[in-house]
Amino acid sequence: AQSVAQPEDQVNVAEGNPLTVKCTYSVSGNPYLFWYVQYPNRGLQFLLKYITGDNLVKGSYGFEAEFNKSQTSFHLKKPSALVSDSALYFCAVGTSGGYNKLIFGAGTRLAVHP
Amino acid sequence: KAGVTQTPRYLIKTRGQQVTLSCSPISGHRSVSWYQQTPGQGLQFLFEYFSETQRNKGNFPGRFSGRQFSNSRSEMNVSTLELGDSALYLCASSSGQGARDTEAFFGQGTRLTVV
Repeated sequence: AQSVAQPEDQVNVAEGNPLTVKCTYSVSGNPYLFWYVQYPNRGLQFLLKYITGDNLVKGSYGFEAEFNKSQTSFHLKKPSALVSDSALYFCAVGTSGGYNKLIFGAGTRLAVHP
Repeated sequence: KAGVTQTPRYLIKTRGQQVTLSCSPISGHRSVSWYQQTPGQGLQFLFEYFSETQRNKGNFPGRFSGRQFSNSRSEMNVSTLELGDSALYLCASSSGQGARDTEAFFGQGTRLTVV
């Protein structure tokens, strides 16, 4: 069975500092990995995805993620955090078989302090 | 290009009633998926429709059902509502046939409260 784990409920970062939000996955076959962000009372917004190729994926709003096959991880990173980055972040894995089903992690709340 | 539109945004229903939620995907997208988001269970997949056919179903009771119309708009129905059905219901549309092909675009959700 495919699964995603986000080990941190909350991450606190000072504005201007680098941030990392962790994600590990368990899949059979090749993983299709995604990061989404959710602001209060809003739906999910797509940040970036890894399908194949370079292990470092660049996405929206200055975010990037590093795919590590040996550690089965897909951590989200940003070199310099903004207060406006404060939100709920979800890692997700796409299932194989030609479907659009996503399996989400529990989410990590990012708090960026001025 | 208009995004994914979900209606209504908020809904209050009484236990035992039924409810229908609507989702209009991005123009040209043939896949619509539904998710339930609760504080306790997180984001859980309900079902996916592609070209009017249900392709995948999550682990939810039969009280949860859905359909997709020829214009790709989708509805989900919950019958005999329970307090535990209170949640944010999110709809996502995709242009491709699978997660490998394209990302999912989400609507703002319908907040259902069952009292």
